[in-house]
Amino acid sequence: AQKITQTQPGMFVQEKEAVTLDCTYDTSDPSYGLFWYKQPSSGEMIFLIYQGSYDQQNATEGRYSLNFQKARKSANLVISASQLGDSAMYFCAMRERNTGNQFYFGTGTSLTVIP
Amino acid sequence: DADVTQTPRNRITKTGKRIMLECSQTKGHDRMYWYRQDPGLGLRLIYYSFDVKDINKGEISDGYSVSRQAQAKFSLSLESAIPNQTALYFCATSDRSGGYTQYFGPGTRLTVL
Repeated sequence: AQKITQTQPGMFVQEKEAVTLDCTYDTSDPSYGLFWYKQPSSGEMIFLIYQGSYDQQNATEGRYSLNFQKARKSANLVISASQLGDSAMYFCAMRERNTGNQFYFGTGTSLTVIP
Repeated sequence: DADVTQTPRNRITKTGKRIMLECSQTKGHDRMYWYRQDPGLGLRLIYYSFDVKDINKGEISDGYSVSRQAQAKFSLSLESAIPNQTALYFCATSDRSGGYTQYFGPGTRLTVL
């Protein structure tokens, strides 16, 4: 079974609007971490945000927030006030303690911000 | 200067050639990783190292080898390159901070003809 599932291959959002990118995960490990990375067309992988499995509050970093719903095993990324520079691929990833803290990545969502 | 560097950034080689990709980091992290990225498949782990004497195979290690020359240096070798090893290769580093957040190098685009 896939450990990380991103079901939206492509998304479009109007500039200045908010957008939610979906991510579901599969693990039986009680200790895990969830991450989002951005990959612009230039190719680099940029860390955006992290949520630990024991964290009670949703993580936020500037315009990025992680909507963590533990019972549903979802970790959606919310980008507020979208900017043209947000157009990129976005990858969700999970780290499991049981597997030596390896990372597992989803297949990504391509976000296009429309002016 | 970038915290995680990779050399070369681009490489074109022929089938059967040996090639080495190098990664260096100044973040002081103990853990280093090699991934490959193929279109539509996300990132897949090739090898990882928790310190100089601890190297582990990842999901797709066949056809690859690694060397951890120092805490700051981790090299990936393709002993006999084949066309389906054409991909974007990333090095990453982490430590315990930030839940073991991994920080990536800029990537090496490898083409095997």
